Amino acid sequence: KNEVEQSPQNLTAQEGEFITINCSYSVGISALHWLQQHPGGGIVSLFMLSSGKKKHGRLIATINIQEKHSSLHITASHPRDSAVYICAATSRTGNQFYFGTGTSLTVIP
Amino acid sequence: DGGITQSPKYLFRKEGQNVTLSCEQNLNHDAMYWYRQDPGQGLRLIYYSQIVNDFQKGDIAEGYSVSREKKESFPLTVTSAQKNPTAFYLCASSIRLTGELFFGEGSRLTVL
Repeated sequence: KNEVEQSPQNLTAQEGEFITINCSYSVGISALHWLQQHPGGGIVSLFMLSSGKKKHGRLIATINIQEKHSSLHITASHPRDSAVYICAATSRTGNQFYFGTGTSLTVIP
Repeated sequence: DGGITQSPKYLFRKEGQNVTLSCEQNLNHDAMYWYRQDPGQGLRLIYYSQIVNDFQKGDIAEGYSVSREKKESFPLTVTSAQKNPTAFYLCASSIRLTGELFFGEGSRLTVL
């Protein structure tokens, strides 16, 4: 069993839809990261959070420490949001990252 | 602009050859990492380094080697001992081990 689990694995949405990607983790963490990987392969860090909620443009990330769960929301989705979204956790000891297997999002015009 | 540069982007290798993937960062980060990505799997850690002249094995270090002679540079050598080297390799850095991760564009290695 992976330390970090994401759902869904694949997601197709119509442009303009509200999207939610979920991440659950089973280990103690000091921070949770949301990453975006475009078809070319490069990865960009979207959020790093240890509590509460963060917002950047149309993206919102939340974390519930008690439930060991985080969500990434995309409001008013756009085809350029099509990418793989990866959830990752920094271990509580700080010496390791755990990665989910990613959610592949396709937004159709 | 600050960032991480990986090269080459694509690399083909014959079996039995060693290849070296370059990773350079100008973010002044202390920590650097090499990850391997295979279809359907999460990123797996090959090696990481917290400081110059020191590095640690990750989960899948066998068949790989690294060096950290300069803060900016963390090259990865895929040796002929690596049984299944065809993969996408990503270099990353963070200001410290617990910091936000910054990634390069990746290097795709194909063994013929």
